[in-house]
Amino acid sequence: GQNIDQPTEMTATEGAIVQINCTYQTSGFNGLFWYQQHAGEAPTFLSYNVLDGLEEKGRFSSFLSRSKGYSYLLLKELQMKDSASYLCAVVDNDYKLSFGAGTTVTVRA
Amino acid sequence: GAVVSQHPSWVICKSGTSVKIECRSLDFQATTMFWYRQFPKQSLMLMATSNEGSKATYEQGVEKDKFLINHASLTLSTLTVTSAHPEDSSFYICSARDRGDYEQYFGPGTRLTVT
Repeated sequence: GQNIDQPTEMTATEGAIVQINCTYQTSGFNGLFWYQQHAGEAPTFLSYNVLDGLEEKGRFSSFLSRSKGYSYLLLKELQMKDSASYLCAVVDNDYKLSFGAGTTVTVRA
Repeated sequence: GAVVSQHPSWVICKSGTSVKIECRSLDFQATTMFWYRQFPKQSLMLMATSNEGSKATYEQGVEKDKFLINHASLTLSTLTVTSAHPEDSSFYICSARDRGDYEQYFGPGTRLTVT
């Protein structure tokens, strides 16, 4: 089975940094995705990690430790438009994605 | 590149009727398409996986006779919700991937409301 955990909600101030953690226990692992989803819209791709380490892409960075079953998404220089739900998803051996419940990030002025 | 479209974007239907949702990959060949359902304030739940030219594989708890999936070509998959009921009201999202690619490309979703 798949078990993916991430916090339900986080609040931060505009310009600040927020780190969203994700822990997983899955049968089969072929990488971990982070998606951003605004209400009523489909998820949009943020990052993909399959090897241990940090992937940096502009204001967003994602880290993976396969031995610990752990990933985080780091959002820097927060902007109001970053208020959204952030989904952690693991790819199994059949190319299926299992999603965490999502973390709702609220950015305040 | 890697654009997936869905049609319709929203639909309202009466209880007992059937609704068909189309998912198209516009600029790549989708060897596999996935159908998800998302209820308010919840995450995406995989309903079924379909490979071109073969029968869909349904996740546990998803009724295959109620949610008919047809993946007739490398660019089109359809989901038909048969005899829809109010509890089927949800946000349905499809995604597509090409052979050898782990990434799935998501469609914009279809909001179904059953009255």
